[in-house]
Amino acid sequence: EPEVTQTPSHQVTQMGQEVILRCVPISNHLYFYWYRQILGQKVEFLVSFYNNEISEKSEIFDDQFSVERPDGSNFTLKIRSTKLEDSAMYFCASRRTETGNTIYFGEGSWLTVV
Amino acid sequence: LAKTTQPISMDSYEGQEVNITCSHNNIATNDYITWYQQFPSQGPRFIIQGYKTKVTNEVASLFIPADRKSSTLSLPRVSLSDTAVYYCLVGDLNSGGYQKVTFGTGTKLQVIP
Repeated sequence: EPEVTQTPSHQVTQMGQEVILRCVPISNHLYFYWYRQILGQKVEFLVSFYNNEISEKSEIFDDQFSVERPDGSNFTLKIRSTKLEDSAMYFCASRRTETGNTIYFGEGSWLTVV
Repeated sequence: LAKTTQPISMDSYEGQEVNITCSHNNIATNDYITWYQQFPSQGPRFIIQGYKTKVTNEVASLFIPADRKSSTLSLPRVSLSDTAVYYCLVGDLNSGGYQKVTFGTGTKLQVIP
C-alpha cells in the first residue's frame, strides 16, 4: 500500500536554528498538508498546499513557517528560527481529490528544540 | 467543518465489541464522516468513511442513522493492540472541506486484558 514518508524521524535542534522537515506524499495525490501535535495534545492543522501554492493556513503557521514542493515529489516544511514551543511531532499528509478523498498521514517527524 | 463530540475515554476488555459514538448535530448535506485511529507517536491512520446507513470493512463498521446527526464506530472483538485514540471527523471532501480539518480530542480507548 502506498504511504506518505517523512524524514527525519527525530531531530534535535537548538533554539533559533532553522529546521527543514521533509515529506514524500503518495505519488498520485494532489493536496498536501502539514499538521503538528504537541505532546499530549490534539493534532493541529498548520497548512494545506495545492497546485504549488498554499491554499489554507492556520494561525499557527506564521512568518517563521514556510512550505515548498521543490521537485514534484518532495514537500517540505521549513521553520526559520525555532522556538522551544515548536517542539512537537509534525505530520505530513496527502490526499487525492477526484476519488478516494481520504487523507493519508505519514509517521511523523519528532522535533525537539533545546 | 461540522463540530463533533465524542467521549473522552472508554475502557473495554479484550474480545469485547466496542462502540464509539460521535455526535455531529450540524452536519451538512455534503459532509462525509471519517474515523481515524492514532497510536502514541504515530500518525493518524484512516479506519473507515461513510455517508449514510452502514459501512463495513475488514477493520470496523460504521453505523450512521437516517438523520446523520451521529455516527457509531464499531470495533469487533478488540485486542490489546486496539488501544489507541479514535477521532471522528466530519467534512465536505469534494469542496475541499478537509482543507482545514481540525481534530477534536478524540476518544482514548483502553483495552484491558
